[in-house]
Parts: sequence; structure tokens; C-alpha cells
Amino acid sequence: EPEVTQTPSHQVTQMGQEVILRCVPISNHLYFYWYRQILGQKVEFLVSFYNNEISEKSEIFDDQFSVERPDGSNFTLKIRSTKLEDSAMYFCASSVTGGKGPPQHFGDGTRLSIL
Amino acid sequence: AQSVTQLGSHVSVSEGALVLLRCNYSSSVPPYLFWYVQYPNQGLQLLLKYTTGATLVKGINGFEAEFKKSETSFHLTKPSAHMSDAAEYFCAVSQGNTGKLIFGQGTTLQVKP
Repeated sequence: EPEVTQTPSHQVTQMGQEVILRCVPISNHLYFYWYRQILGQKVEFLVSFYNNEISEKSEIFDDQFSVERPDGSNFTLKIRSTKLEDSAMYFCASSVTGGKGPPQHFGDGTRLSIL
Repeated sequence: AQSVTQLGSHVSVSEGALVLLRCNYSSSVPPYLFWYVQYPNQGLQLLLKYTTGATLVKGINGFEAEFKKSETSFHLTKPSAHMSDAAEYFCAVSQGNTGKLIFGQGTTLQVKP
């Protein structure tokens, strides 16, 4: 069964550094998402992406964050200048189409630790 | 805005006992509801979903959930717990044109031998 893959599984970065989290969505999926889960808290929506542009973003997704689909397979989340509070598990997800019905398929996540 | 509340952050059952994980939602429009499971060091795996139609939804690994509009609930059940069911379970509602998921806090299921 096709899977969403995320790399790296764990990223340790110094505060203030830039970090790029990578995701390969399922190949025939058109909608892509990033979520994050701070330790002990609920999974939170960050951003959705369709047709090479952001379709929706949350209040968390400020100017420090950006997403890109640089080629036909990768989907990346960049944090420009990391803060301690960016430490979290980041999940990428994809769905065949957008909308409320199709389920989202999640990767195993990248654990981001900011020192 | 839609929201999801999961009652009980931790649930402990004995192997073979009934599993009941509670989820209540708030929505001004017909909700699309999901249950996901997260095993240690893994991502979120879809257990089941409710969109329209039959209110009793069957999922993987013997789980099922019933959508009750009058109670705004979507509780997850399994007749007989197995040790391998120990994991964290998330209820979620899909919102808006993009289908972004709004998650509950999660419930950790412990299964005792």
C-alpha cells in the first residue's frame, strides 16, 4: 500500500537556524498538509497546499514558515529561524482530493528538537 | 468553528474486555468524522470514517464507531481488547473546503493482560 514518507525522522537544530522537513506524498494525491504535535498537546493543523499554492493556513503558520513543492514528488516545510517553541513532531499528510470526505494519509512524522 | 472533545485522556482495560473511547463534536454543519490510531514512534493511521449514510461504521482491526447526531457523539468501540490495541487514539472532524482535520486531545489506551 502506498505510503507518505517523511525525512528525517529526527532533526536537532540550534535555535535561530533554518530547518527543512521533507515529505513524499502518495503519488496520485493532490492535496498536501502539514500538522504538528507539541509534546502532550493535540495535533494541530498548520497548512494545506493544492495546485502549487497554499489553500489554507492556521494562525500558527506565520512568516517564519513556508511550504514548497520543488518537484513532482517532494513537499517541504521550511522554518526560517527556529525558536524553542517550534520543538514538536511534524506530520505530513496527503489526500486524493481536498474537501471533507477523503481521508488523509499520514507519514510517520519528523521529531524536531530545537536547542 | 468545529471542535472535538475526547473524554478521558487515559483508558485502561483488561485483555478481552470491551473498549469504549468517547468522542463528542461540535459542528454547525453535518460533520465528517474520523478516528485515527497512533502506535509508538509511528504516524497516524486511519481506523474508520463517517461521511454520510450508515451511522454505524466499521473499521480496521475490529473497531467500529456509531455516529449519533442527537448526542453529537462518535464513540469508538471494540468488543474484545487485544494487547496490540495499546496505542493513542485520536478523533477528528474535517472542516472547510480543504478538509483540514481538527483533532481531539487523544486518548491513550492501555491493555492489561
